[in-house]
This record gives sequence, structure tokens and C-alpha cells, in this order.
Amino acid sequence: ELKVEQNPLFLSMQEGKNYTIYCNYSTTSDRLYWYRQDPGKSLESLFVLLSNGAVKQEGRLMASLDTKARLSTLHITAAVHDLSATYFCAVDMYSGGGADGLTFGKGTHLIIQP
Amino acid sequence: GAVVSQHPSRVICKSGTSVKIECRSLDFQATTMFWYRQFPKQSLMLMATSNEGSKATYEQGVEKDKFLINHASLTLSTLTVTSAHPEDSSFYICSALGVMNTEAFFGQGTRLTVV
Repeated sequence: ELKVEQNPLFLSMQEGKNYTIYCNYSTTSDRLYWYRQDPGKSLESLFVLLSNGAVKQEGRLMASLDTKARLSTLHITAAVHDLSATYFCAVDMYSGGGADGLTFGKGTHLIIQP
Repeated sequence: GAVVSQHPSRVICKSGTSVKIECRSLDFQATTMFWYRQFPKQSLMLMATSNEGSKATYEQGVEKDKFLINHASLTLSTLTVTSAHPEDSSFYICSALGVMNTEAFFGQGTRLTVV
């Protein structure tokens, strides 16, 4: 059974601080997705990591993928309140290549306090 | 960018009735569409995968006779919740994948409340 484990599940941090969310998965997938979800809303795509060693950055968020360790990280730099949300990582459920549905982690509920 | 539109965004129905949710890809042809369900404070769970012109593939534990999926065109998939019950109340989210896409794009979601 495919497992996707995120930690922490809940994170409260102060503005200006740095932190990392971890995502471990149990398949040999070389593709990993990060999403943001605001309360009552659908998912916003943040990053699609397509290969081992991939690193992508957008603003204060940076994501990386290590397929050998089956680990992805989402790093937050100098957090601001607007980044408060729930963050999900996900992997392709079956054969991969983007043609499958996704298996999601449980999500990390991030609260950034002034 | 790729836009996926879901309708309605919110629906309240009485127990025992059926509700149809539409998922449309507005600016691309979606060969595959996915339907997810998200209960409050939980993650998303894949319900089924539909390919245009063929029967949907349901995940284990999802009742295909209760959740009817139709993907009759390359831009529209529908999910019908039949004989809805309060335990079907959830956030239903679709995503659509085109031939040229590297990822599926998500709709806005539909909040279903069964009373």
C-alpha cells in the first residue's frame, strides 16, 4: 500500500523564521507534487518535482526531491502571515507519469503568527 | 493557464435525493479526469478516474452505483451522488489532465451538505 507521510502535521511559527516540512513516500515514484489549500478552498499547485535532485523555488518557498531517499522537503524562508495555510504533498498513485490519480499526505497545517 | 471549472460550488440537498456535480476543462481537452473527496480536516482521497468515452475506474471502497461518473466529452465529466445521505456530506474536488499536461489541474471544489 502506497504511503505518503508528512511531518509535522501542525506547525505554529513566528513571522521571519525558517522552517521545513518533510514528505516521505513509499513508492519508487520520481514525481512529487506540493499543494497549498486555504480554508474552504480547493488546491493551489505550488510545485511539480519531476526528477531526482529537482529543486524549485517560488518566493519564500523552496521544494526539493530526493528519489533515492523517497523524501521531499518544502522549505519556508522568513515566513510571513500570508503563508498560513495547509500544505499537502502528493505522489502518483500507480504507474506514475502524471496519468494517475494522486495519493496525498495528511497535510501540514501551518499557522504563522505576527 | 489550464482552467478547470466545477459547478456548483455549494449544494444542499435532502437525504435520499441525487446531486450532480460538473467538472469542465475550459481551455484544454481533458483525456482523464479524477474525482476526490475530502472530509473536514482530512486529506484528499481519490474516488475514481474517468477517461473520455469509457467507464470510470473506482478506487477500493467507493460504491460505483452510488457515485455515478460520466465522462462523455473531452471537456466535461460529471459526478452524480445518488440517494445521498448525511454521511456523503463532504468537499468533492475534480482534477483534469490533458495530453500535453505534466500535471492535472484542480477545480474549485463542491461543498455538498446532505440534510
